[in-house]
Amino acid sequence: DAGITQSPRHKVTETGTPVTLRCHQTENHRYMYWYRQDPGHGLRLIHYSYGVKDTDKGEVSDGYSVSRSKTEDFLLTLESATSSQTSVYFCAISGHRDSSYEQYFGPGTRLTVT
Amino acid sequence: RKEVEQDPGPFNVPEGATVAFNCTYSNSASQSFFWYRQDCRKEPKLLMSVYSSGNEDGRFTAQLNRASQYISLLIRDSKLSDSATYLCVVNRGNDYKLSFGAGTTVTVRA
Repeated sequence: DAGITQSPRHKVTETGTPVTLRCHQTENHRYMYWYRQDPGHGLRLIHYSYGVKDTDKGEVSDGYSVSRSKTEDFLLTLESATSSQTSVYFCAISGHRDSSYEQYFGPGTRLTVT
Repeated sequence: RKEVEQDPGPFNVPEGATVAFNCTYSNSASQSFFWYRQDCRKEPKLLMSVYSSGNEDGRFTAQLNRASQYISLLIRDSKLSDSATYLCVVNRGNDYKLSFGAGTTVTVRA
């Protein structure tokens, strides 16, 4: 399995509070991604990174920001959590080989916003 | 229209049976295709890549039809451990972003 960890694994927070989720990889992959998964929607891309300090928006980026200050870490921040952001968040990595598009996922973070 | 569409199932089959299902994709520029497996409350895991000529990995066979823009997965001699949700995944043309189907649920019963 790819060396990807996410922290925390579970979190309950109140509406309006800031939340930061961390993704850490030991695989030296170039690309990193944050997804959310909700029933009936499949995985939806929030933000992704194509290198240190290089990030871009996915299709559901409103209310989220990201940072990548080093290759190993990709942080997802909810500036002011809302109940609609209750979800399971997965981090993924890819790009070990330039022609390789497959992604490998971390174990996920279950976030509940009350 | 969703980029990747799958029959959600569930497909409920007895052990030893063969089960097959498809997905369709809308982006004709897509170049890479995958099937992922996701167990309940777990992360998706790569099951297999799908190649133009079709490919087989043990009891699993994947086919790609570019003309009709669909991908299929066939599972032979189903095991209880094959019970999972299978995600059809397609890359978005010539970049590293992927589009995911919502998944097809397969339940194998004893």
